Amino acid sequence: DQQVKQNSPSLSVQEGRISILNCDYTNSMFDYFLWYKKYPAEGPTFLISISSIKDKNEDGRFTVFLNKSAKHLSLHIVPSQPGDSAVYFCAAANTGGFKTIFGAGTRLFVKA
Amino acid sequence: KAGVTQTPRYLIKTRGQQVTLSCSPISGHRSVSWYQQTPGQGLQFLFEYFSETQRNKGNFPGRFSGRQFSNSRSEMNVSTLELGDSALYLCASSRGQGGYMNTEAFFGQGTRLTVV
Repeated sequence: DQQVKQNSPSLSVQEGRISILNCDYTNSMFDYFLWYKKYPAEGPTFLISISSIKDKNEDGRFTVFLNKSAKHLSLHIVPSQPGDSAVYFCAAANTGGFKTIFGAGTRLFVKA
Repeated sequence: KAGVTQTPRYLIKTRGQQVTLSCSPISGHRSVSWYQQTPGQGLQFLFEYFSETQRNKGNFPGRFSGRQFSNSRSEMNVSTLELGDSALYLCASSRGQGGYMNTEAFFGQGTRLTVV
């Protein structure tokens, strides 16, 4: 039962270009969406989030877009930097149910 | 403010044995969630504890259990280990009191369990 899907296991982007990571969800009860970044040998760290009442949230080079009707969100990184190379996890939460479900992750490679 | 601490960092066990992993959350956080990470499967939700009570549970067999103590520290136990239990086990703490800001989770570095 994969309620949160990241269909691209990996993505390779040239430094300075835009990285777009995608995520789909199935449960309409989710009302909060988060992106986490994970480097090897470290735990995931929170990157950016968006509530279901918004369709866009921006933080520096990172922007998350939410399309509720399509149950789709995406993370845009622009410009991409080599230090952005990591695994990115999409997560969806029902803040009333106190449960956060993660996707399988997308490994981003940013080439210098 | 100290982060989430998981011990041990690495563990090698034999099939059939049992193992206990420990997690100390960020001070003031009352919710502790456990996840299993395996290649290609992402972070699979195991369970979540809040104020010593299991509030949510994932789809794992009963061999996986946990508990939370009054100081919010949590332990996860896996009995009768199988080769497929080899994974990175991550613990995450949050305020856990509902609402957007209380949902953001802070992760420990994880415990790498290898079953041979």
